[in-house]
Amino acid sequence: IAGITQAPTSQILAAGRRMTLRCTQDMRHNAMYWYRQDLGLGLRLIHYSNTAGTTGKGEVPDGYSVSRANTDDFPLTLASAVPSQTSVYFCASSDSPGGRNEQFFGPGTRLTVL
Amino acid sequence: GQSLEQPSEVTAVEGAIVQINCTYQTSGFYGLSWYQQHDGGAPTFLSYNGLDGLEEKGRFSSFLSRSKGYSYLLLKELQMKDSASYLCAVNSNDYKLSFGAGTTVTVRA
Repeated sequence: IAGITQAPTSQILAAGRRMTLRCTQDMRHNAMYWYRQDLGLGLRLIHYSNTAGTTGKGEVPDGYSVSRANTDDFPLTLASAVPSQTSVYFCASSDSPGGRNEQFFGPGTRLTVL
Repeated sequence: GQSLEQPSEVTAVEGAIVQINCTYQTSGFYGLSWYQQHDGGAPTFLSYNGLDGLEEKGRFSSFLSRSKGYSYLLLKELQMKDSASYLCAVNSNDYKLSFGAGTTVTVRA
């Protein structure tokens, strides 16, 4: 693995189903983030984690949960998917949550909820 | 909260110079970053300004005025591969990035 990987690449999901989007980084970065990107709205932060064992809510956390059991993995779970969660989801990481906070992004997961 | 505004699209010819403006209103401002995103791809980091002034990186430069809540990204000697979306993002002192909606740059031959 080099950088950040996300799985799946894309998914079509029935409303009401549970779904976990996976994110793994091999750069030993402390901070990790989940964003959703919708046309015309840019990237919006869903949840973040400044270090393993801690998580925080971003701008649009409702309907999503995260965990950070170790440094490398940061899964995002939709407990009961709704059509408004149709979006492209990006995971990102940075080696420091402060300062210039250069973030490295994964390739994204395109999720469609029907 | 954060508020960022940037133009939705800009078109220019190869070899030209393009300036993309970003105005922001925010609490807890720490710095401002620019990211590039090609269609269907992931955002990639371009530049960061923590202090007022101009930062130059090859064909790309970024400027910040904290007192005016204003930044711009300057793309020089435009190439076809520069056709992409450019996102400004405010780094806040609670360790988060807040992104603008992005400016789509189209480079014509």
